[in-house]
Amino acid sequence: DAGVTQSPTHLIKTRGQQVTLRCSPKSGHDTVSWYQQALGQGPQFIFQYYEEEERQRGNFPDRFSGHQFPNYSSELNVNALLLGDSALYLCASSEGLTGELFFGEGSRLTVL
Amino acid sequence: AQKITQTQPGMFVQEKEAVTLDCTYDTSDPSYGLFWYKQPSSGEMIFLIYQGSYDQQNATEGRYSLNFQKARKSANLVISASQLGDSAMYFCAMREAMMDSSYKLIFGSGTRLLVRP
Repeated sequence: DAGVTQSPTHLIKTRGQQVTLRCSPKSGHDTVSWYQQALGQGPQFIFQYYEEEERQRGNFPDRFSGHQFPNYSSELNVNALLLGDSALYLCASSEGLTGELFFGEGSRLTVL
Repeated sequence: AQKITQTQPGMFVQEKEAVTLDCTYDTSDPSYGLFWYKQPSSGEMIFLIYQGSYDQQNATEGRYSLNFQKARKSANLVISASQLGDSAMYFCAMREAMMDSSYKLIFGSGTRLLVRP
């Protein structure tokens, strides 16, 4: 039983570029949440997807957007990258909106 | 707003000894949940233990136990018989309810634990 898988694991971008991160939820899970973890800090909630809609959003600018597909997988897109976007991006899935969160290993983004 | 505070950036412990990682929280919600996660260098957040605000007893999971002191708003993690594999970052988190009955996790800044052989 595969857990939460994320791709790519590492990537390097330059300021102003755009990036897409991908997440496949744990089998049987239909809800995906994204968190940003800057170096030396705890993760911060970006947004949550359920039934292919963004349900909840944290305090992140509109440059951060996402999508959920019919197979429950999800993408996180960040436009006009800033140096401060360098972080580990964690995807977490759950069964329904109230289920236990299971995290992937993250995508480590470096913006130069 | 809910807040989690972890005041120990780093901790050392000798192998086979016990260690306590501190966590204090702030919330006005009478119903809440507290979590501890382990994050090894791979990046994955691994769930360790959960304590609900109305749970009568402190939570335990194998070598992990939670010292829950509600009046002091603290939820310290105790790891007994430390192992070299316990070296990692440890995060305390609180469940914050959102609309639609969903929730998000509010994390502290973490404690890096290093187990010495």
